[in-house]
Amino acid sequence: AQSVAQPEDQVNVAEGNPLTVKCTYSVSGNPYLFWYVQYPNRGLQFLLKYITGDNLVKGSYGFEAEFNKSQTSFHLKKPSALVSDSALYFCAVRDNEAGANNLFFGTGTRLTVIP
Amino acid sequence: EAQVTQNPRYLITVTGKKLTVTCSQNMNHEYMSWYRQDPGLGLRQIYYSMNVEVTDKGDVPEGYKVSRKEKRNFPLILESPSPNQTSLYFCASSSKPRTGVGSQETQYFGPGTRLLVL
Repeated sequence: AQSVAQPEDQVNVAEGNPLTVKCTYSVSGNPYLFWYVQYPNRGLQFLLKYITGDNLVKGSYGFEAEFNKSQTSFHLKKPSALVSDSALYFCAVRDNEAGANNLFFGTGTRLTVIP
Repeated sequence: EAQVTQNPRYLITVTGKKLTVTCSQNMNHEYMSWYRQDPGLGLRQIYYSMNVEVTDKGDVPEGYKVSRKEKRNFPLILESPSPNQTSLYFCASSSKPRTGVGSQETQYFGPGTRLLVL
């Protein structure tokens, strides 16, 4: 069975400080991992994904994520947070041994960047 | 512009009154999906479709129907809405999934439809 956990409902960080949004996953095969961002009154926007290769994945808006197989984690990071990064962030996983293209989402983490 | 569109964006209805939320994509994607988003529960998949005339249940299909008569459209139908279907609904699409190393398609999401069932 596939599942995703985002252990923090809310993350607050001061502008200019590094930010981390945590995600852990569980799949039976090898994972495909995604991060999406949702701004107020908007749909989800793709940030980045890990399929294979380098464990550090770089995505949109200066975000990056590190795949850690031993810890089954895929934390989202940014070296210097902006107020405009304040949004709801979702981690998602797909088991590449599954037949469909279904994504399993975490419950979301609300990031607030304080000026 | 490549996009997924949903209509209506906002809808207030009453229990038992049938409604349809439309979803359309202009990217020639094979795969389409409906999710609902609820506080504390994240996104949960309702139904998905791998191609025209091919649909299957997701995690929370009860009370919903879908159809896929054309590649670009994937309407979500609530035959008899109930208050527990009050939610924010998202449609998504992606190209046909391929297995194997180095291949995975990103899902593109519509703007969402906020539904209130009284």
